Amino acid sequence: GESVGLHLPTLSVQEGDNSIINCAYSNSASDYFIWYKQESGKGPQFIIDIRSNMDKRQGQRVTVLLNKTVKHLSLQIAATQPGDSAVYFCAETPYGGATNKLIFGTGTLLAVQP
Amino acid sequence: ETGVTQSPTHLIKTRGQQVTLRCSSQSGHNTVSWYQQALGQGPQFIFQYYREEENGRGNFPPRFSGLQFPNYSSELNVNALELDDSALYLCASSPRALGTADTQYFGPGTRLTVL
Repeated sequence: GESVGLHLPTLSVQEGDNSIINCAYSNSASDYFIWYKQESGKGPQFIIDIRSNMDKRQGQRVTVLLNKTVKHLSLQIAATQPGDSAVYFCAETPYGGATNKLIFGTGTLLAVQP
Repeated sequence: ETGVTQSPTHLIKTRGQQVTLRCSSQSGHNTVSWYQQALGQGPQFIFQYYREEENGRGNFPPRFSGLQFPNYSSELNVNALELDDSALYLCASSPRALGTADTQYFGPGTRLTVL
């Protein structure tokens, strides 16, 4: 499959460590945010979402933090595993639009070292 | 697996040709969005269809057009192909909730190469 990791920021972690992937979003009017994981040759896979009336949400091994003051989003992955290696994208949806389009960030390549 | 399927998986065309890509939505979803993903970049919104009507468009020229059918499946058509159209084309479906942003679930994509 194609490599979606070319020219992307890279985070390299050891297996078992915690990972933190950061994202700066662009639109202060955005009210819904999603983290996607994309493996080589595949479409983006939903990981976790958060709405603007929250500042933290937890899933299985993942936590998303939202700081609206500085328009910053982060994804924390606990006990990172080799299967977590992929490109991670944050995406935002502007509030009130008739079209629920997603605006994607640049992406971060997570490389998990065994 | 999201239940969103796309065909074909790969496609090679030459400049100036036309192409049609297909998408089958996840069961129960009535909204379909199409995205273009160039190598090394995030997906870019092309347009969205809701109940067979175009419901918003990104910054793409008119030679990018689409259809949504009564069963909510969808097509993306691109005319007069250019080399820069080479990309992964992604379809995403969502259970449209009016006035509320909802999660979009992606298919595996179609890799289009224009020579």
